[in-house]
Parts: sequence; C-alpha cells; structure tokens
Amino acid sequence: NAGVTQTPKFQVLKTGQSMTLQCAQDMNHEYMSWYRQDPGMGLRLIHYSVGAGITDQGEVPNGYNVSRSTTEDFPLRLLSAAPSQTSVYFCASSYGRSYEQYFGPGTRLTVT
Amino acid sequence: AQSVTQLDSQVPVFEEAPVELRCNYSSSVSVYLFWYVQYPNQGLQLLLKYLSGSTLVKGINGFEAEFNKSQTSFHLRKPSVHISDTAEYFCAVIQNTGFQKLVFGTGTRLLVSP
Repeated sequence: NAGVTQTPKFQVLKTGQSMTLQCAQDMNHEYMSWYRQDPGMGLRLIHYSVGAGITDQGEVPNGYNVSRSTTEDFPLRLLSAAPSQTSVYFCASSYGRSYEQYFGPGTRLTVT
Repeated sequence: AQSVTQLDSQVPVFEEAPVELRCNYSSSVSVYLFWYVQYPNQGLQLLLKYLSGSTLVKGINGFEAEFNKSQTSFHLRKPSVHISDTAEYFCAVIQNTGFQKLVFGTGTRLLVSP
C-alpha cells in the first residue's frame, strides 16, 4: 500500500493564480481531511469528508474548495491564491472507530 | 469546542536523559487524546492514543503518556531519549462523538543533543 500520497511536494504561485493540491489514499478509508500547518499554530483543519459526495468545512475554510467524487481522492482547490495561504498542507485519512489519522508527506506552498 | 495547550514550544535535553512534554486540554464533553510526532520534512505519525481503559498508554519508540482527567492533562514521557527523537511533537484531541475532527496543540520541538 502507498498509504496517503500528495502531489506536488512543492509549489510556488503568484497572487491570484489558482491550483489544485492532489490527495489520494489506497486504504479504503471513509474519512479524509485537509490541514494547513503554520509556524507556532500547529495544524488547523480546512475541510473534511466523511465519504464520497459528502464534505464539510473545518476551522479555516475560506479561500479553499473541496470535492470527493471517489473514496480514494480528495483534491483541495485554491481559487485565487493569496500570500496568507503560504503554508504546508497535509492530507489525512482515517476509518471507523480507530480514530488514527494517516498523514501524507505534505505540500509546501509559497504564494508571492 | 475543545482546545489543546502545549506549554513548551521547545524542550532541549541531553541524550539518555528523561523528558516530559506537557499537554493540557479543555472540553465540555469526553474526548480521545493523541500524540503525533513529525520528523523534519515529513508528515505526522501517530505515537500513541488514549480512547478508554488504562490511563497509562504506551506507544512506539519507548514513549508513554498518562491521561489525568481531573487535571485535564495528557503528558508525554520517555525515560531515556536518543538523538533520533529530535522532532516536533503534537498533542491532539477528538470529541468522542461525530466526525473525527482532530484539534491540535501548537507543538513542542524536542531537541536532543549529545
């Protein structure tokens, strides 16, 4: 199993550009989440999904969109990038009552 | 809503010394508690978790944590650290109802020197 994979690993965007961060998992987990990590702030939940076709907002959803058309994939879209979105983004998945979230390796995004 | 406080942003320690990383939480409902570790330029990995049962939880790499409900704490301990334990450690909580919405603390950087 590859676990949770994320692409790209690094990305530089100009203000106003849009892009999609990809996340995929091959463990058949129903729950998937996106977090952003900023220095001194820990990880904060952006959006999450409890299954294909079902998504909801987390703590910091503004400026981001998600969709979940399959169990495996959970892309995160930045609609119009802003410098405040410079961060490291992590995707995670989990299942049932295990409560253990499996994290991808992260995408480091810089918006200039 | 729940919150997590990690009182120390950085903890320096010498190799083979004991270490304790502190974590306190607040919540109006019962929670499940976790410690995750992040090595440089990597994702997060679960160290240990408390869901129920014994309040002393043992995890990977020789770490353990004790759930103290009266003090709302979940401190992480290791009796003898190695250089390879240098990493950032995050305490996190989930409400035991509904979606698994993890709330993280701000992290503690453990620096182990020879």
